[in-house]
Amino acid sequence: AQSVAQPEDQVNVAEGNPLTVKCTYSVSGNPYLFWYVQYPNRGLQFLLKYITGDNLVKGSYGFEAEFNKSQTSFHLKKPSALVSDSALYFCAVRERDDKIIFGKGTRLHILP
Amino acid sequence: DTGVSQNPRHKITKRGQNVTFRCDPISEHNRLYWYRQTLGQGPEFLTYFQNEAQLEKSRLLSDRFSAERPKGSFSTLEIQRTEQGDSAMYLCAAGVSGNTIYFGEGSWLTVV
Repeated sequence: AQSVAQPEDQVNVAEGNPLTVKCTYSVSGNPYLFWYVQYPNRGLQFLLKYITGDNLVKGSYGFEAEFNKSQTSFHLKKPSALVSDSALYFCAVRERDDKIIFGKGTRLHILP
Repeated sequence: DTGVSQNPRHKITKRGQNVTFRCDPISEHNRLYWYRQTLGQGPEFLTYFQNEAQLEKSRLLSDRFSAERPKGSFSTLEIQRTEQGDSAMYLCAAGVSGNTIYFGEGSWLTVV
């Protein structure tokens, strides 16, 4: 079975600094990978996806993610963090049967 | 607006009662997914549909849970004889096969 792992429960970053939220995956075949963000008491919002093509994927709100096949990673990044980026972030992978499986999430705290 | 509506947003029920949640995606969304999320955890896959056909139901899911998508449009998730452990947020997501899925705002269930 395919899976994703988010090794950090929480990440703290000072406002204005670059941020990275880590995700590693385990798949057979070509990976379809996603990042979603969740604000308190809300559903998940789609940020970006990797299917094929450029390893650097750009998404909403200035976020981007770097696909690294050799390291089986798909880390979420942003050059300059905002306090409003504080939220819960989920990495996800699409399995061959189109089922989508989520990681346990990483809570991002941006410190003013 | 993701095009996925869920109701009710909040439901408080007594243990042993039945509850039903509804999800309304836009007509183009032939895939529909149900997930369960508890505090501090990632969305846990419950079941998914291709139009009106239920493709898979999680083996972790009790027989008290059932989902339908009778005409390939809206879907319902019913929980019979609710237990306190069923308290969670129930998320519906929908999309086109092989593409991004979009989430509704979720339905909170509290079993007292």
